[in-house]
Amino acid sequence: QKEVEQNSGPLSVPEGAIASLNCTYSDRGSQSFFWYRQYSGKSPELIMSIYSNGDKEDGRFTAQLNKASQYVSLLIRDSQPSDSATYLCAVKSPDSWGKLQFGAGTQVVVTP
Amino acid sequence: NAGVTQTPKFQVLKTGQSMTLQCAQDMNHNSMYWYRQDPGMGLRLIYYSASEGTTDKGEVPNGYNVSRLNKREFSLRLESAAPSQTSVYFCASSEPRASGNTIYFGEGSWLTVV
Repeated sequence: QKEVEQNSGPLSVPEGAIASLNCTYSDRGSQSFFWYRQYSGKSPELIMSIYSNGDKEDGRFTAQLNKASQYVSLLIRDSQPSDSATYLCAVKSPDSWGKLQFGAGTQVVVTP
Repeated sequence: NAGVTQTPKFQVLKTGQSMTLQCAQDMNHNSMYWYRQDPGMGLRLIYYSASEGTTDKGEVPNGYNVSRLNKREFSLRLESAAPSQTSVYFCASSEPRASGNTIYFGEGSWLTVV
């Protein structure tokens, strides 16, 4: 079982709709969670981090964390064609010092 | 504001050849990393350096060596390249804190081994 799992997609979302991405992780002691966006041919860039249970909002992005169920999600509201990218979930476990475990990513395609 | 710079961006190697990927960061971060990214596999950690003078293996270290030359620079060496090492390589750096660890990536190096 992979430590961080994501649906590979592609997730097709109409422009203006909400894109919902999910990520599950296996280490119950994990404390820090990150969402990276990666455009084709480019490097990953951090868009959200979340450390506590609940929701965290930043512009059109909302990260949701449920440690009891071991999942973290990302909502993209009012999806735009520029949101078309692969979204990587990353998890830091308490015993892994600064290292992150990455999921394989979910490809999002926003259609006009 | 360069951030993390890695070279070369593209390289084609023949099986058995050696090469070194160079990486430098200007953010005064203590920690540096080398990841590889393959289709459907996500980012996998090859080696990391928690601080200047230390290096440790990640998930997939076989076939690679690293050198933390100083606080800014962290190089990755392929001693005898194999087709299985065809991948995109990302160097990254961070300053781990108790509150979290934001990792910043370089632009990537596309390596093909034929």
